[in-house]
Amino acid sequence: QQQVKQSPQSLIVQKGGISIINCAYENTAFDYFPWYQQFPGKGPALLIAIRPDVSEKKEGRFTISFNKSAKQFSLHIMDSQPGDSATYFCAACFGNEKLTFGTGTRLTIIP
Amino acid sequence: GAVVSQHPSWVICKSGTSVKIECRSLDFQATTMFWYRQFPKQSLMLMATSNEGSKATYEQGVEKDKFLINHASLTLSTLTVTSAHPEDSSFYICSAPLDRRNYEQYFGPGTRLTVT
Repeated sequence: QQQVKQSPQSLIVQKGGISIINCAYENTAFDYFPWYQQFPGKGPALLIAIRPDVSEKKEGRFTISFNKSAKQFSLHIMDSQPGDSATYFCAACFGNEKLTFGTGTRLTIIP
Repeated sequence: GAVVSQHPSWVICKSGTSVKIECRSLDFQATTMFWYRQFPKQSLMLMATSNEGSKATYEQGVEKDKFLINHASLTLSTLTVTSAHPEDSSFYICSAPLDRRNYEQYFGPGTRLTVT
């Protein structure tokens, strides 16, 4: 199975709060899990990525949590800002092959 | 991060004509590039994998005779939409992995195609 399931479809968070987006996968061969941020009319931008040999990776306000046994991974955005309002996609791939994308989460940060 | 460019950024064409979209890796060489299309408020759908020096690999359901892909050099892949129809109107995006060891993939800014 190549599917990557992403939730929620949309998310509204107050400024300064924590935004959490979840993804689940089925293919245990996947070994690379990136998150992309996309603004309207733009291409996706690589935000942060993780390999299955670690359970967490943090870069600034962005953290990926990875649970290999549950086949789930999540993106946490700390101190969410209005500029974080965008669509976020999780993805997964095996080796340097094609990415399988989640369905996307539209994040809105309100003042 | 690495830079991938696309040209044009937007194009309007008449039904029945062909449109070529270019994807370039500006600061690295890419033996493989990927082409996606994205409809409004939807996820990215992989269309094909472009391989330098060989034929592209198309995903199931993608018409290879309609979406012609050429990967003529290590920095350039082109997607030609032939005999375009209004239903081909979409956002086309390319991506390229940085290198064989590094799994990071970088996306172009996308090309908005409108077929009238």
